[in-house]
Amino acid sequence: SQQGEEDPQALSIQEGENATMNCSYKTSINNLQWYRQNSGRGLVHLILIRSNEREKHSGRLRVTLDTSKKSSSLLITASRAADTASYFCATDRDNYGQNFVFGPGTRLSVLP
Amino acid sequence: DGGITQSPKYLFRKEGQNVTLSCEQNLNHDAMYWYRQDPGQGLRLIYYSQIVNDFQKGDIAEGYSVSREKKESFPLTVTSAQKNPTAFYLCASSRQGDTEAFFGQGTRLTVV
Repeated sequence: SQQGEEDPQALSIQEGENATMNCSYKTSINNLQWYRQNSGRGLVHLILIRSNEREKHSGRLRVTLDTSKKSSSLLITASRAADTASYFCATDRDNYGQNFVFGPGTRLSVLP
Repeated sequence: DGGITQSPKYLFRKEGQNVTLSCEQNLNHDAMYWYRQDPGQGLRLIYYSQIVNDFQKGDIAEGYSVSREKKESFPLTVTSAQKNPTAFYLCASSRQGDTEAFFGQGTRLTVV
């Protein structure tokens, strides 16, 4: 079963521009996480936002969560070529807050 | 260095063979997971284990088997019953509760 759905599927921007990716999910959650995957590598955790939080920042990353709309967004400001990767949102599927469910991801290309 | 290690990085399997993918972690995490990723797609859960000597099927467990005899190790066997095993396999671990997952670097399995 797929919980999260990222949008857009692919995004190309110029270096220095901001990149926004969205995630929608279907059922109630305890938390939502964003991960990054470089081509052919494992995923790296970026940020976790809990269901009672609305916004969270980490460096150039800003995540928002709207539980009424069952959606989240990831904003990367002042993008760099090194930000080129796939980005996935993940939601917990059980009451233990584990057993993560991943969406299909957004492929971000940052052009120099 | 704490982390999660998958081996081998590349694996080739002949039709009808069983192969075992290794996943070891020294993070003292209770929970471990196996995901399958097909090109351009998200992650699908194969099996997960929240404690030693216990594991549960994920969304696509057919044709796969696992064991969890030690906290540090969660090997995945791809059996001959798995009809389309060519994919990228990712192992992850996490602490109990709503925390991030740590991923290995993946094993790319190809049927020849």
